[in-house]
This record gives sequence, C-alpha cells and structure tokens, in this order.
Amino acid sequence: GDSVTQMEGPVTLSEEAFLTINCTYTATGYPSLFWYVQYPGEGLQLLLKATKADDKGSNKGFEATYRKETTSFHLEKGSVQVSDSAVYFCARGGATNKLIFGTGTLLAVQP
Amino acid sequence: GAGVSQTPSNKVTEKGKYVELRCDPISGHTALYWYRQSLGQGPEFLIYFQGTGAADDSGLPNDRFFAVRPEGSVSTLKIQRTERGDSAVYLCASSLDTTSRQFFGPGTRLTVL
Repeated sequence: GDSVTQMEGPVTLSEEAFLTINCTYTATGYPSLFWYVQYPGEGLQLLLKATKADDKGSNKGFEATYRKETTSFHLEKGSVQVSDSAVYFCARGGATNKLIFGTGTLLAVQP
Repeated sequence: GAGVSQTPSNKVTEKGKYVELRCDPISGHTALYWYRQSLGQGPEFLIYFQGTGAADDSGLPNDRFFAVRPEGSVSTLKIQRTERGDSAVYLCASSLDTTSRQFFGPGTRLTVL
C-alpha cells in the first residue's frame, strides 16, 4: 500500500549547521507531498508542500524538492536555529485527500 | 472560530468503558478527517467525512470505533469497550474541500488504564 519512509531520529545539530532529513514515498500515482512540523506542546502545522514533479516547496528557510525519479522529498535547511527544534513528519496525499505520514524525525538544535 | 478545536484535551478511562471525542472544525470546512497518533509514530488515518457522510472509513481499526457528523460540522469519534491499545492522541483535521490544505486540531490524549 501507500507509505512514506523517513530517516529515524533523533537528529542533533549545533546552531547554524546544515540540516537534511530524508524522506521517500511509494510511487502510486503522483501524490502531493508534504512536510509537517510539531513544535513542543503544539499541534501539527504544515511546513511546506509540493504538488508535482520537480516542484520545490519552501517556508521559513526550509526547502524540499519533489523528485519523481528517486521518489524522494528530502527536507533541507542551510542554517538551523534552536527554535527549529521539533518533530518533522513527511507525508504524502492519498485517495480522498487523506494524509499518509512517516514516523517522524526529532530534531534537537543545540546553541 | 480561529481553528480546529477538540474536546476534551485529555481523557483517562478504564478498560472496557465507552468514550466520545469531539471535534469542532473550522467554520465552512466541508471535509473532516480523524487520525490517531501513537507514541513515537506518525498520525494514522482513521476516517474522512465529506459533509455529513463518511466517504472513507478504511482506517478504522475495528467495529469498536465509530464516528458521526450529523449536521456536517461537529464530529464525534466514539470508541466502545476501550482497550489499553487504544491509548493514543486522536487528531482531527478539517479542510475547505478535498483538494485544500488540512488544518489540525491540538488533539485529544486518550489513556486507557
């Protein structure tokens, strides 16, 4: 069935380091792809999305490019901040617009 | 309202009891989704409503779980004969329609003792 696989955490980085969180998806059709973020004590928020191949989603310095050839949607940020510490979820759209999530990656940024 | 709201925020119950979890979507949103997030996992889809009808209930784990949305707005997720394995955070999301972004509520943390 449809699924999303993302790298396991936790990922621990120093402030201003480069971030990559890998995500791959099953290639049934051409789904929309998403990154959601869950800050401590808060609900899920959409971080960015891409709806077709080669689209790049971006927000708050984060970027992810929809790669059909590798079925990937890796999240990147050039310089992380302590305030980026959160759990990041990769997701793909499924039938009826339901979301299929990965298991989440905890990012801890140290000053 | 400003966003999706869910009540209660926390529910502790005993094994075998019945519970109801409520979701108030954003006004005007026709699509409503329920997800379940177990500890250390991503949210898993349970059921989707378009208006008053359940358009996709393929994620409900068994017949102890049921959800309604009688007037096309508020939805209630009902769990009968709760089991310890039902302990999780239950998330509700709504969207303007089936092609639009989903907005998530803060969730209800259910603990079954």
